[in-house]
Amino acid sequence: DAGITQSPRYKITETGRQVTLMCHQTWSHSYMFWYRQDLGHGLRLIYYSAAADITDKGEVPDGYVVSRSKTENFPLTLESATRSQTSVYFCASRPTSGSSNEQFFGPGTRLTVL
Amino acid sequence: GESVGLHLPTLSVQEGDNSIINCAYSNSASDYFIWYKQESGKGPQFIIDIRSNMDKRQGQRVTVLLNKTVKHLSLQIAATQPGDSAVYFCAERTHNDYKLSFGAGTTVTVRA
Repeated sequence: DAGITQSPRYKITETGRQVTLMCHQTWSHSYMFWYRQDLGHGLRLIYYSAAADITDKGEVPDGYVVSRSKTENFPLTLESATRSQTSVYFCASRPTSGSSNEQFFGPGTRLTVL
Repeated sequence: GESVGLHLPTLSVQEGDNSIINCAYSNSASDYFIWYKQESGKGPQFIIDIRSNMDKRQGQRVTVLLNKTVKHLSLQIAATQPGDSAVYFCAERTHNDYKLSFGAGTTVTVRA
């Protein structure tokens, strides 16, 4: 199906482990984003990408790594997970052109770090 | 810190009444203001946006008002329905940057 998907939907891991969250979109949108959502903070931008091989830090990038070798994929890696990274993670995408401000969000990944 | 925030974390409204969700922002350089709706267990969904050179924009059952003098944004939902129960976020961005800065959200509960 067309759209934006995230995997896994749920993940439990332990402190210190490496975890990779996957994001895939079928629209060939240039821009992709990773947010985390915690109670009382709304959504905070972790990293974003304007195109393949172009990534940049958002508001809360520490402890995360991203890559974008292909336009359709934007994986987010927690190199050494910490309890403070327990959160719901959302991936989003949008095209470069057009006047709309719409970002299209995936269903989210709920990550628990024990 | 956040440049966009909401006045009230929760709002309870009777089905059929109009809802008003408020948002305050502090970044005078913001050029676009956007409202998102997030239903339980789902990702946020775009509702409507408004550019800073406008003070009102209408969509289907929704109206966004922008008051740049007091840096205030509101979302009005007409004839609120049970399906409108969700968390509503305002967000803002500048003209040359596609990054969005989100507020903390207001939870709207519709009473039958």
